[in-house]
Amino acid sequence: DTAVSQTPKYLVTQMGNDKSIKCEQNLGHDTMYWYKQDSKKFLKIMFSYNNKELIINETVPNRFSPKSPDKAHLNLHINSLELGDSAVYFCASSQNRDSEQYFGPGTRLTVT
Amino acid sequence: KNEVEQSPQNLTAQEGEFITINCSYSVGISALHWLQQHPGGGIVSLFMLSSGKKKHGRLIATINIQEKHSSLHITASHPRDSAVYICAVPTNTGNQFYFGTGTSLTVIP
Repeated sequence: DTAVSQTPKYLVTQMGNDKSIKCEQNLGHDTMYWYKQDSKKFLKIMFSYNNKELIINETVPNRFSPKSPDKAHLNLHINSLELGDSAVYFCASSQNRDSEQYFGPGTRLTVT
Repeated sequence: KNEVEQSPQNLTAQEGEFITINCSYSVGISALHWLQQHPGGGIVSLFMLSSGKKKHGRLIATINIQEKHSSLHITASHPRDSAVYICAVPTNTGNQFYFGTGTSLTVIP
């Protein structure tokens, strides 16, 4: 069983579209994260979500919104996609904010 | 200036060599993470430490909180250690998480 899974693995879409990436963890963790890795391979946190407390990186455009239907899921919705949104998006989870993180396999988003 | 600085950016070593990757940070932290990103893109957490030293197999991580510095050591390096190693720190206020730019390690047989 995969600990942290993401779907889809690859996503190609056109500018202006709205898309979602799903993340699920079966580790019973309380905290989940979304990260963006750009073309230069630099990782940046987008959101962390812990017990219904959402912490947003202030540099993330409000076109990005995380949605957590339950503790095991944190989905990422992106509205009005732009070329600059092309990147690999990683989901991760941890028991709490000071614990080891487990990463999903990543979703490669390409906006054309 | 980045909140987290890693050195070196790139490192090539012969199999068997002892390797050190350094990480310095400028923010107050609750812990420091070392991550490994494989050539295929997957990310694995190697260590999470807030003081002292931890060891897993051939990997050793140390942290000096006063000097705001951590090192990742690999003993008896092997080509399968070839990967990007990333240092990451959550701030002690809990609302930010900063990453180093990564160290790309290549171990030659």
